[in-house]
Amino acid sequence: TQLLEQSPQFLSIQEGENLTVYCNSSSVFSSLQWYRQEPGEGPVLLVTVVTGGEVKKLKRLTFQFGDARKDSSLHITAAQPGDTGLYLCAGVGRETSGSRLTFGEGTQLTVNP
Amino acid sequence: GAGVSQSPSNKVTEKGKDVELRCDPISGHTALYWYRQRLGQGLEFLIYFQGNSAPDKSGLPSDRFSAERTGESVSTLTIQRTQQEDSAVYLCASSPRSLYGELFFGEGSRLTVL
Repeated sequence: TQLLEQSPQFLSIQEGENLTVYCNSSSVFSSLQWYRQEPGEGPVLLVTVVTGGEVKKLKRLTFQFGDARKDSSLHITAAQPGDTGLYLCAGVGRETSGSRLTFGEGTQLTVNP
Repeated sequence: GAGVSQSPSNKVTEKGKDVELRCDPISGHTALYWYRQRLGQGLEFLIYFQGNSAPDKSGLPSDRFSAERTGESVSTLTIQRTQQEDSAVYLCASSPRSLYGELFFGEGSRLTVL
């Protein structure tokens, strides 16, 4: 079983602060995705990273895939209350692409105005 | 509609009753997933359908849980003899035939077992 561990589990910050969320595994993934889930809704895909060392930027969000494709990070600059939500990382195993997308437990982010 | 549709959005039932949850995937998406999400937790994989291939049922927690899908259309998740620990949000997601398995989720069906 390929497990993804996210940290921190909970994060509460003030508007304007920066933060980083981590997603780690002992397994190699062929790709890794980040989703954001708001209360009462399903998760929504933010980004997919595929290549080791890859960095993708989405406005104030920066995603990085580790060189060994075992970990990823999400950095948010100047957080805003609209960034509040549950952030989930999910990996596609190197041996079994598509069949079972493994999710981390999530990081619950609260940005206070 | 353009997105994944799930029904009912909320279901309250008594312990021991059977429930059926429905998912309408995005048209043309060949893959369909069911996940369970308990309050404040991440997503627990239940079952995966890909076209006409045999489904991956390895995540179903007990034989009280079953799911069906007709071709590449609607799927139903059935829970028999519900227990209080079955209370959760059941999320359905569909995916196009993509190498990277990107998922598009419905809003979920919230099940409460009294």
